[in-house]
Amino acid sequence: EVQLVESGGGLVQPGGSLTLSCAASGFTFSNYWMHWVRQAPGKGLVWVSRINGDGTSTSYADSVKGRFTISRDNAKNTLYLQMNSLGAEDTAVYYCARDGGAARYWGQGTLVTVSS
Amino acid sequence: DIVMTQSPDSLAVSLGERATINCKSSQSVLYSSNNKNSLAWYQQKPGQPPKLLIYWASTRESGVPDRFNGSGSGTDFTLTISSLQAEDVAVYYCQQYYSTLTFGGGTKVEIK
Repeated sequence: EVQLVESGGGLVQPGGSLTLSCAASGFTFSNYWMHWVRQAPGKGLVWVSRINGDGTSTSYADSVKGRFTISRDNAKNTLYLQMNSLGAEDTAVYYCARDGGAARYWGQGTLVTVSS
Repeated sequence: DIVMTQSPDSLAVSLGERATINCKSSQSVLYSSNNKNSLAWYQQKPGQPPKLLIYWASTRESGVPDRFNGSGSGTDFTLTISSLQAEDVAVYYCQQYYSTLTFGGGTKVEIK
């Protein structure tokens, strides 16, 4: 059974940093592109970033480019999102999702709140 | 970037009636390698992650009831719920996966 479990969310002050993790199981992690998608409270889904299977290719939404870094550790079956210079606009539930064309598998999400 | 525009923003339908949601992409999402449209539909209920309903614009995901149907091609797509059930109350999103991922703004479906 495919499972994606996010962790690392919490309350952080404006300008602060946070690293999210997504532990994957039930499939060959290194074979798949992975995504981070976020959802601000009461708002829609917004794609944040993606990474290819071996971690050599990444892309980012303009809103996070230069502040967020996606990475993965295939030995640990874990996806990461390093987030720096956080602002109130980054407050959201962050989901990791497995690529496959459409995203069939999603984690339950982890909430990031940026507030003083 | 490909912009996805959904309409309407919300929709109230009587139980057993049809619900229709539209989605328009700013450019074609037709994937030339397989001649299929890189368009998916998701259902999201409060406190839950999105659930994939339809991919390649019209292929129903395993386990999804056949009252959910996707159609369209090129830049114009439709999700139809043929006979609305109480458990279908949710927000529905279209998404293109032709170029990274882009989501529509969502359509909230409620019971009239």
